[in-house]
Amino acid sequence: GAVVSQHPSWVICKSGTSVKIECRSLDFQATTMFWYRQFPKQSLMLMATSNEGSKATYEQGVEKDKFLINHASLTLSTLTVTSAHPEDSSFYICSAPPTGGNQPQHFGDGTRLSIL
Amino acid sequence: KQEVTQIPAALSVPEGENLVLNCSFTDSAIYNLQWFRQDPGKGLTSLLLIQSSQREQTSGRLNASLDKSSGRSTLYIAASQPGDSATYLCAVYANSKLTFGKGITLSVRP
Repeated sequence: GAVVSQHPSWVICKSGTSVKIECRSLDFQATTMFWYRQFPKQSLMLMATSNEGSKATYEQGVEKDKFLINHASLTLSTLTVTSAHPEDSSFYICSAPPTGGNQPQHFGDGTRLSIL
Repeated sequence: KQEVTQIPAALSVPEGENLVLNCSFTDSAIYNLQWFRQDPGKGLTSLLLIQSSQREQTSGRLNASLDKSSGRSTLYIAASQPGDSATYLCAVYANSKLTFGKGITLSVRP
């Protein structure tokens, strides 16, 4: 079964709305989670690294004030797209590294965000 | 900066063929390399993970090889089936980050 749960799976909303996406680790604790964005026919691009109890680390070119990340517990990280615009429409995926090394990361099922 | 390339972007084969998907990366200082499968509109399913010290990994009809010094990996799919149709992504893990290729969209015709 899924070890990382991402919710919602699909969002359609009006321009200017803020949208929150949740990423939960179901049966393990994740001090770190990763947020990716994927445009059609493109690679997954890392947006930011979410760190439990501290500030997220953003990749170059990603607006911190636009994409708010909160990692308030060891099983939950949230990504809020603030004042979303059509250009923010994309597929957002989170992942969490497993405890112990040398294992593949667990990915959520992704969130399809469509801004009208 | 690490770059991962997967060519071609799309591939169509008849059912039953054995096929090879290629992946190349520019910086050989990697921790591991992973192959993922992505179905349309879905998240990622991990297929195989190869540590930097390993040469290959096998799971069922899938075999992945790694030549770190030349910056190449291949995913071999034996006896392809229509259910194998999906996008296959290669990703390298280094400096606490996964860097993905754009993927190869595979279509297996019945």
